[in-house]
Amino acid sequence: GESVGLHLPTLSVQEGDNSIINCAYSNSASDYFIWYKQESGKGPQFIIDIRSNMDKRQGQRVTVLLNKTVKHLSLQIAATQPGDSAVYFCAENERGSNYKLTFGKGTLLTVNP
Amino acid sequence: DSGVTQTPKHLITATGQRVTLRCSPRSGDLSVYWYQQSLDQGLQFLIQYYNGEERAKGNILERFSAQQFPDLHSELNLSSLELGDSALYFCASSLTATQNTGELFFGEGSRLTVL
Repeated sequence: GESVGLHLPTLSVQEGDNSIINCAYSNSASDYFIWYKQESGKGPQFIIDIRSNMDKRQGQRVTVLLNKTVKHLSLQIAATQPGDSAVYFCAENERGSNYKLTFGKGTLLTVNP
Repeated sequence: DSGVTQTPKHLITATGQRVTLRCSPRSGDLSVYWYQQSLDQGLQFLIQYYNGEERAKGNILERFSAQQFPDLHSELNLSSLELGDSALYFCASSLTATQNTGELFFGEGSRLTVL
């Protein structure tokens, strides 16, 4: 899509497989994390969030895992579908701040039918 | 459809010019945020308004300014445009000013091209 950087990490999976998208963050003061999906030509769309007092949260077909020790976040998508093809961003928010989300660079997920 | 409306969708202008991007938040949302998305910088937070008042500032250049009006719509003004200002500008809205509600709803963006 036109909003995607030229050197995004990419993940290519087969339809029906599970996908795991990873994200590293650096701010130890961040206590709220969100995954967004951005399809070509559209704005980011909220998928799932997690607060730092949790290490796992599940949604519909998606699971977010948070490892605060190594400052790592992952998004797992079960039974990936062609409609899941998009750029996925993790975002973090610092404790006590307003919604000044800091976004990661994004990962391009391509689902092959 | 997120409920956030941005205009124009596309804008082409020349260096040195000034443009205004407009955003209507979701019905009932009091907080508006502006983000810039470029190929080399990714999504960058610019500025946030809550109920008409500036609430937080990010990496916003002095050539850029924004405001939120009594009807809660917001405008982002970009002046003395440079080639590097070419980017997608997103507006987002939320009910409150903090992260407690969880979701931030993004519009579809305004693509600015500076020639």
